[in-house]
Amino acid sequence: GAGVSQSPSNKVTEKGKDVELRCDPISGHTALYWYRQSLGQGLEFLIYFQGNSAPDKSGLPSDRFSAERTGGSVSTLTIQRTQQEDSAVYLCASSLSGQGAGNEQFFGPGTRLTVL
Amino acid sequence: AQTVTQSQPEMSVQEAETVTLSCTYDTSESNYYLFWYKQPPSRQMILVIRQEAYKQQNATENRFSVNFQKAAKSFSLKISDSQLGDTAMYFCAFGKIKTGANNLFFGTGTRLTVIP
Repeated sequence: GAGVSQSPSNKVTEKGKDVELRCDPISGHTALYWYRQSLGQGLEFLIYFQGNSAPDKSGLPSDRFSAERTGGSVSTLTIQRTQQEDSAVYLCASSLSGQGAGNEQFFGPGTRLTVL
Repeated sequence: AQTVTQSQPEMSVQEAETVTLSCTYDTSESNYYLFWYKQPPSRQMILVIRQEAYKQQNATENRFSVNFQKAAKSFSLKISDSQLGDTAMYFCAFGKIKTGANNLFFGTGTRLTVIP
């Protein structure tokens, strides 16, 4: 079946512009995660959605970052007034349920964001 | 707080040889999951192997096996009979068991190159 998909694959933007990154999780997966991978760093957790529950936003680095998940499926990560330090690969993952970390997280190919 | 440390930024191994990647972690949790993920140049994160902390037996998946030392908080990955397709970034990750706390904590990765 189809895996997690993300669009766009690459995004180049100018400092100060807003960007939207999209994630389509695996059908039937109730949990969805956003991570950020900066050059030379591991993955940094940003936000987590589980079903209709309020999202866990504890990883968002600033109020310029926000995310929503419509209809329990597609998610959009929005970065407002982008800064050069926002340049990174943004990875989305989904899992069958949110019952602890034991459920395997399936990752998308990521969106590489470059802020000039 | 959970931290994951990978002290080997880069490693190389001859094709068909065996290589071991190191990972240590710190947590106050008594039960948790540990993972090794592979990220090839395509950026797609792929789960290689998973270990549940309450299981004493080390996990194995074909050519991949782990040496899990709970008291030492060490979780190394051994790749036997290395193949060219094993060339990738390898990330060690930690996940809690608790419901609602599903994001993974990642190390900074080890870049493995398999030399023909």
